[in-house]
Amino acid sequence: AQSVAQPEDQVNVAEGNPLTVKCTYSVSGNPYLFWYVQYPNRGLQFLLKYITGDNLVKGSYGFEAEFNKSQTSFHLKKPSALVSDSALYFCAVRDRPGGYQKVTFGTGTKLQVIP
Amino acid sequence: SQTIHQWPATLVQPVGSPLSLECTVEGTSNPNLYWYRQAAGRGLQLLFYSVGIGQISSEVPQNLSASRPQDRQFILSSKKLLLSDSGFYLCASRDRDDTQYFGPGTRLTVL
Repeated sequence: AQSVAQPEDQVNVAEGNPLTVKCTYSVSGNPYLFWYVQYPNRGLQFLLKYITGDNLVKGSYGFEAEFNKSQTSFHLKKPSALVSDSALYFCAVRDRPGGYQKVTFGTGTKLQVIP
Repeated sequence: SQTIHQWPATLVQPVGSPLSLECTVEGTSNPNLYWYRQAAGRGLQLLFYSVGIGQISSEVPQNLSASRPQDRQFILSSKKLLLSDSGFYLCASRDRDDTQYFGPGTRLTVL
């Protein structure tokens, strides 16, 4: 079975400081990993994904994530946080082809960027 | 990329009334489609998914049902709503690149 954990319910960071939102996963094979962002009363928006290749993945709005197979982690990062980055962030995982047709989402981490 | 449409955007229904939420997809063909419910603005609960017309898989036994009458149309229904059905309902489509595209959501309040 596949699972994903976001250990922090909320992350607070000052504007201009670097941010990290943590995610760890568990799959039986090799993972597809995703980050999504949700603004209040809106649907989720895709930020970035890791399928294969370079462990550092760059995505929308200046976000990036690093795939670490030994630590089974896929942390989301940004060098300099903006107040507009304040939102709910979801990590998601899907086992490689042959696995489920569904993606498993984490419980979400609320990011608060303080001016 | 895909565009997911959902309606209505908000809905207030009495307990025991029926429900029909509609989702349509543009920009792709033969997608995998999903219905999620999000309670209290946090985690997503997968309710149903569909890999093709007329093919529905239920993840959570409850008084909701889903149908897929056309390739890019996905409907969530209930014959009698419960208070516990309140929540934010999201439709999503998964393309061949495994990215999920979400609709804007429907806020359902059951009174």
